[in-house]
Amino acid sequence: DIQMTQSPSSLSASVGDRVTITCQASQDISNYLNWYQQKPGKAPKLLIYDASNLETGVPSRFSGSGSGTDFTFTISSLQPEDIATYYCQQYDNLPLFGQGTKLEIK
Amino acid sequence: EVQLVESGGGLVKPGGSLRLSCAASGFTFSSYSMNWVRQAPGKGLEWVSSISSSSSYIYYADSVKGRFTISRDNAKNSLYLQMNSLRAEDTAVYYCAAEATYWGQGTLVTVSS
Repeated sequence: DIQMTQSPSSLSASVGDRVTITCQASQDISNYLNWYQQKPGKAPKLLIYDASNLETGVPSRFSGSGSGTDFTFTISSLQPEDIATYYCQQYDNLPLFGQGTKLEIK
Repeated sequence: EVQLVESGGGLVKPGGSLRLSCAASGFTFSSYSMNWVRQAPGKGLEWVSSISSSSSYIYYADSVKGRFTISRDNAKNSLYLQMNSLRAEDTAVYYCAAEATYWGQGTLVTVSS
């Protein structure tokens, strides 16, 4: 079975900071990776699909990169409304989410 | 406007059953594979089950295999999850999702005596 390791589990940053979250797969998943944002009490929202493609309507400060086993999600300039938990999800095999990264404002 | 509306959640005793429904509108339901994803209180997201657009392919997480059954009715734009032999660890908000793109607001299932 594929394992997904997402880090860090929590992150505190200031408005305007560049924020990076990583996700590592235990085997090659090509680019079959999504990134989601989830705010408290809300459903997840797709931000990035196929590792690096920005979903329609998502601000361009969000980006994704990587392929194979190592993936990165970046917010280029953190905004107050970006406070949320972020999840990676592989779909090369049966879908599997990373453990999540809770992002807070410093 | 795209909408996915889950229903059928509630309080059930261990060993009991529930049937969740998800009503879809605003997109071509029959063209999308559908998923159930759950989230236990204070925990992360867990994929539960998927069904292809024509119901030809069905998959389950090991944690629910043999107890849960996913199905869909494209004529009614609806997705279902029959949950049997429920356990305390099945307590969660259950979301239906159209592939990765569209998500419902979730319905809470609580398994407790």
